[in-house]
Amino acid sequence: DAKTTQPTSMDCAEGRAANLPCNHSTISGNEYVYWYRQIHSQGPQYIIHGLKNNETNEMASLIITEDRKSSTLILPHATLRDTAVYYCIVRPLWEGSARQLTFGSGTQLTVLP
Amino acid sequence: DTGVSQNPRHKITKRGQNVTFRCDPISEHNRLYWYRQTLGQGPEFLTYFQNEAQLEKSRLLSDRFSAERPKGSFSTLEIQRTEQGDSAMYLCASSFSGGPETQYFGPGTRLLVL
Repeated sequence: DAKTTQPTSMDCAEGRAANLPCNHSTISGNEYVYWYRQIHSQGPQYIIHGLKNNETNEMASLIITEDRKSSTLILPHATLRDTAVYYCIVRPLWEGSARQLTFGSGTQLTVLP
Repeated sequence: DTGVSQNPRHKITKRGQNVTFRCDPISEHNRLYWYRQTLGQGPEFLTYFQNEAQLEKSRLLSDRFSAERPKGSFSTLEIQRTEQGDSAMYLCASSFSGGPETQYFGPGTRLLVL
């Protein structure tokens, strides 16, 4: 699976947009980009995923660059409850590949009041 | 649909004892994964099932670890002769095969081996 690179930590003011970058320069054409987050002492929570196009759901937006080598997760109006470790993961689409998620170290996002 | 559940949520045991954890996946999901997470690290894959078949095991899954999913529904993870290094959060996730196959995680079982 392609490796991902994320900043170790970021701060964001409450009510502002949080933009979390992820570099996945070795991604192949049949790999999805997934984002999960993990609030302290809880299980990881699925946020969003995408292949080529930008995606939006009730939690966040995912912007994938045209060359697919990087992406940005956007939390439009961060709240204190969004403080968590955010993981960017790339994962193959096809069934013959490894199915597990490979987590890196993630980005610790701290939303400040 | 209540999501993935895990029991117990916390377990304290003495070194050398056996422990067993249970995971109940989302009902229509045919795949079930086990991960382990130590302090300050991201989750690491241990093993996964498709229905009742165990399809892959990580090198992390030593011979003291065994996982089952006998009827393709709930799963158990047993650790025999626990060691202090087994102290970790054990996470279960489930998914439905096909397409992007999003995995949904349970709350985890935190194990402390004294």
